[in-house]
Amino acid sequence: EIVLTQSPGTLSLSPGERATLSCRASQSVSSSYLAWYQQKPGQAPRLLIYGASSRATGIPDRFSGSGSGTDFTLTISRLEPEDFAVYYCQQYGSSPGITFGQGTRLEIK
Amino acid sequence: QVQLVQSGAEVKKPGASVKVSCKASGYTFTGYYMHWVRQAPGQGLEWMGWINPNSGGTNYAQKFQGRVTMTRDTSISTAYMELSRLRSDDTAVYYCARADIVLIGTGMDVWGQGTTVTVSS
Repeated sequence: EIVLTQSPGTLSLSPGERATLSCRASQSVSSSYLAWYQQKPGQAPRLLIYGASSRATGIPDRFSGSGSGTDFTLTISRLEPEDFAVYYCQQYGSSPGITFGQGTRLEIK
Repeated sequence: QVQLVQSGAEVKKPGASVKVSCKASGYTFTGYYMHWVRQAPGQGLEWMGWINPNSGGTNYAQKFQGRVTMTRDTSISTAYMELSRLRSDDTAVYYCARADIVLIGTGMDVWGQGTTVTVSS
């Protein structure tokens, strides 16, 4: 099973700042199969990025994804108040299936 | 509009089973896998498996094999997830989420609102 490790566990930043979230895989992941989700309290997750770098429908361009192999990054260029949430990376492998990272909490400093 | 609407909250005793439904609307039900993901209180997301509504084929996470059954009824565009032999650590919010069958890797782009399952004696 591919294990995804996200860092940091918690990131404290101010609105307007740049956020960089990391997702490291225990073995190589096809870039086509790496996604990022945002989850706010009491809500279902929301797809942000798929294929490592493609924004989902309706996602603002301040969100961007990059990376390949075992190292992937989600960048939020200028934080808006509504961006403070928990972020998860997810990989889709051929076997045994899908795994999520443990999440990064982005909190207001 | 595209949406997934899940059944209501459940309270079950240890050892019982629970069956959660997920009704799809606004898109072709058979064109998207239906995944099930759960989230224990204060914890992260855990993938349970998927069903292909077109074929009925399933793929379960190893952790749940033998306890989970995913089915669908294409006549009413509804997917089901049944979890048996419930334990207290099965207490969680259970989500359904769709993913394109053809465009593999485009992520889970629509999610249900979640169903809270509480297992308590």
